[in-house]
Amino acid sequence: SQQGEEDPQALSIQEGENATMNCSYKTSINNLQWYRQNSGRGLVHLILIRSNEREKHSGRLRVTLDTSKKSSSLLITASRAADTASYFCATDATSSGSRLTFGEGTQLTVNP
Amino acid sequence: DAGVIQSPRHEVTEMGQEVTLRCKPISGHDYLFWYRQTMMRGLELLIYFNNNVPIDDSGMPEDRFSAKMPNASFSTLKIQPSEPRDSAVYFCASSQRGRGSAQYFGPGTRLLVL
Repeated sequence: SQQGEEDPQALSIQEGENATMNCSYKTSINNLQWYRQNSGRGLVHLILIRSNEREKHSGRLRVTLDTSKKSSSLLITASRAADTASYFCATDATSSGSRLTFGEGTQLTVNP
Repeated sequence: DAGVIQSPRHEVTEMGQEVTLRCKPISGHDYLFWYRQTMMRGLELLIYFNNNVPIDDSGMPEDRFSAKMPNASFSTLKIQPSEPRDSAVYFCASSQRGRGSAQYFGPGTRLLVL
């Protein structure tokens, strides 16, 4: 099974609302990354959080990491229609070299 | 920088034909990754290179798949012979370093094998 599993699989909100996506994983990690994929495009890196960090911010993005629960969350504040995309978490397991394992993604739809 | 460049963007071929996908990573990036994305299996790592050397090819599905990186600015992923179940979007990505680095993805090659 995938190392990272996102929850929910799909999320639909109104513009201006906040969107929260969760990711759970199974093994020890060095870091966790979040990526965005617009329809028909490649993935775009959003943010990286290391295993010794608990929270990180980048613009309207806030990521938390709880290594005791093996989970992470991505919060997008004041969402915009342009945020509509699939969001993936990717884990860098301690035993995996430079391999990233991607979850199945959350499809976010922001309605104008 | 132009980002990661992949060609072709779309490929339609018939079962049994050879398919070659191409990738030019971002200049100065030491790592190159090949992924495959399907609805059923999500995004899977096929193989990655460090300084042109294949490091982990455990994701390559079978002997029909092969990848090369003859120099720091070019890589190919070849499928021979192709099968309908190989239909997918194939992404190439590069990163400056390995562990702990962001990966930069190309636009992908959408492959359809009839």
